[in-house]
Amino acid sequence: DQQVKQNSPSLSVQEGRISILNCDYTNSMFDYFLWYKKYPAEGPTFLISISSIKDKNEDGRFTVFLNKSAKHLSLHIVPSQPGDSAVYFCAASVTSSGSRLTFGEGTQLTVNP
Amino acid sequence: GAVVSQHPSRVICKSGTSVKIECRSLDFQATTMFWYRQFPKQSLMLMATSNEGSKATYEQGVEKDKFLINHASLTLSTLTVTSAHPEDSSFYICSASGTDTDTQYFGPGTRLTVL
Repeated sequence: DQQVKQNSPSLSVQEGRISILNCDYTNSMFDYFLWYKKYPAEGPTFLISISSIKDKNEDGRFTVFLNKSAKHLSLHIVPSQPGDSAVYFCAASVTSSGSRLTFGEGTQLTVNP
Repeated sequence: GAVVSQHPSRVICKSGTSVKIECRSLDFQATTMFWYRQFPKQSLMLMATSNEGSKATYEQGVEKDKFLINHASLTLSTLTVTSAHPEDSSFYICSASGTDTDTQYFGPGTRLTVL
């Protein structure tokens, strides 16, 4: 049972444009969501998170939007840069469960110069 | 801040041997550490959760006698793959979270190859 799904395995955008990565979840108990960036043969790097009491969180070029009624979140990167090329994972947790994360399958983002 | 290290970064071993992987939180106290494995082109799969000073909680399907986890201090957790077999070859990643955050910070991972 895949509780967190990233339906797009890959995304390609032009440098300077916006990248939008999407994530859907099924478990209504999830109340904390995170995005991680991962390069090959490295561990994931934390990017940004959002609590279910918010619908938007912004940090520099990265903005995460949460639509609880649709059980959907998205990560916007603007402007996109070639260095942003990586695999992006969304993850969700139920904070009362002790930070146990459930990851999506990941989306490979390629930003073309 | 929030740096997590893993050692070794890469290990090759013969079938039947045991391999120990260390995970350290360098600049914060990790009350909880997590161990994941990732197969090529797949997501990170949680293997177990460990809290300092207590036994690890293993996910369904993960053999606790094969994957021994020790979390003896607030900065160190170890994963020992016992009697390793080629199917144990994978990328093992640890993460840690502290007392004041639910965010997990990940180590760089360990590539295990069992011949």
